[in-house]
Amino acid sequence: QVQLQESGPGLVRPSETLSLTCTVSGGSISTTSHYWGWIRQPPGKGLEWIGSINYSGDTYYNPSLKSRVTISVDTSKNQVSLKLTAADTAVYYCARHPSRYWNFDLWGRGTLVTVSS
Amino acid sequence: QLVVTQSPSASASLGASVRLTCTLSSGRSTYAIAWHQQQPGKGPRYLMKINSDGTHNKGDGIPDRFSGSTSGAERYLTISSLQSEDEADYYCQSWDTGIQVFGGGTKLTVL
Repeated sequence: QVQLQESGPGLVRPSETLSLTCTVSGGSISTTSHYWGWIRQPPGKGLEWIGSINYSGDTYYNPSLKSRVTISVDTSKNQVSLKLTAADTAVYYCARHPSRYWNFDLWGRGTLVTVSS
Repeated sequence: QLVVTQSPSASASLGASVRLTCTLSSGRSTYAIAWHQQQPGKGPRYLMKINSDGTHNKGDGIPDRFSGSTSGAERYLTISSLQSEDEADYYCQSWDTGIQVFGGGTKLTVL
């Protein structure tokens, strides 16, 4: 079955750009049926949607983060990437949602990114 | 503006039933929502999508003890025959054109 795996540095300096990758296994990212999203969760707090992208690069961002976020897709590697400036310490999740109804229906395990000097 | 609101906490006894509520903001009573479970120390898990007519679509492997329903702008998650592993945070999620929102989550304690 389809699985999502986040990867990237666990520590980022405050002045650096956070860069994470989500690798999709067990299925193709190049499907018209789904979008691939990023969500974050600061320690002890709730979930915040960052943005979503489909295989052709159509992208939607959280308006509150839009100026700091770039999400891209690499269909040859079956990967989605996240770049975020002025990031916050949080667990960052990759998740999938259908193109028509945007309920997240599959989640990755998440990766903790600590922002510290 | 689309907002979903949840009570911060709920509790119920082992073996009992509990109903969690997600309330859609004014003018959004026709919107669907999704429920997600997050057990301590784990990532979220998709439970189900609930439509405005009360129909719901569960995720793979979600037990029959979990069910969904609707009343106006409220969407409910009912868990019956509560088990210790149901103690978790439950998040409501909804969406509009090009945007996703999450509720603040409800922490469920199984007594």
